[in-house]
Amino acid sequence: SQTIHQWPATLVQPVGSPLSLECTVEGTSNPNLYWYRQAAGRGLQLLFYSVGIGQISSEVPQNLSASRPQDRQFILSSKKLLLSDSGFYLCAWSVRGPRSETQYFGPGTRLLVL
Amino acid sequence: GDSVTQMEGPVTLSEEAFLTINCTYTATGYPSLFWYVQYPGEGLQLLLKATKADDKGSNKGFEATYRKETTSFHLEKGSVQVSDSAVYFCALTVSGNTGKLIFGQGTTLQVKP
Repeated sequence: SQTIHQWPATLVQPVGSPLSLECTVEGTSNPNLYWYRQAAGRGLQLLFYSVGIGQISSEVPQNLSASRPQDRQFILSSKKLLLSDSGFYLCAWSVRGPRSETQYFGPGTRLLVL
Repeated sequence: GDSVTQMEGPVTLSEEAFLTINCTYTATGYPSLFWYVQYPGEGLQLLLKATKADDKGSNKGFEATYRKETTSFHLEKGSVQVSDSAVYFCALTVSGNTGKLIFGQGTTLQVKP
């Protein structure tokens, strides 16, 4: 069966520090991968998605970047965190195909920037 | 562009009450529709889905019917439990290789004993 892991689970970082959040998927090959952010009390915003190694699409201009160095690894990064980067970050995967539909979410990383 | 609109919350019900959470959508293509649930402090779990008009998704006593004529996908449950307290998200995805999900803003459900 497929599983998706995220770490760390919780992170407190000072403003201006770098960030690296990691997401890995097991039990599937060639997945689509996604990063979402959920600000406190708000809905989910798609940040990045990837349909293959090295292929990253950004949905919104921001202080963050994403990379996919391996087929089942998706990394969210920042060189200098802002207060507004605080939130709950969720990684998700789906099967790639003409109708790649259902997304499966990881447990999330809660980031607090102080 | 494509969008999803959910009823605003929070929705507060007593245990065993009937639940309806409204969801309507706008899409240029032929979307698949989803309900996800987020329990406190956790990630999202797929609750149910429907991929074409008149399909009914169901799981754990929850149901939703894909209504193309009214562009709706309302979530219902006949008798809620305290353990159903969570945030519920309606979402859609249109055909294509990216599978991007577009979410509604979420509806918080609180069930009191």
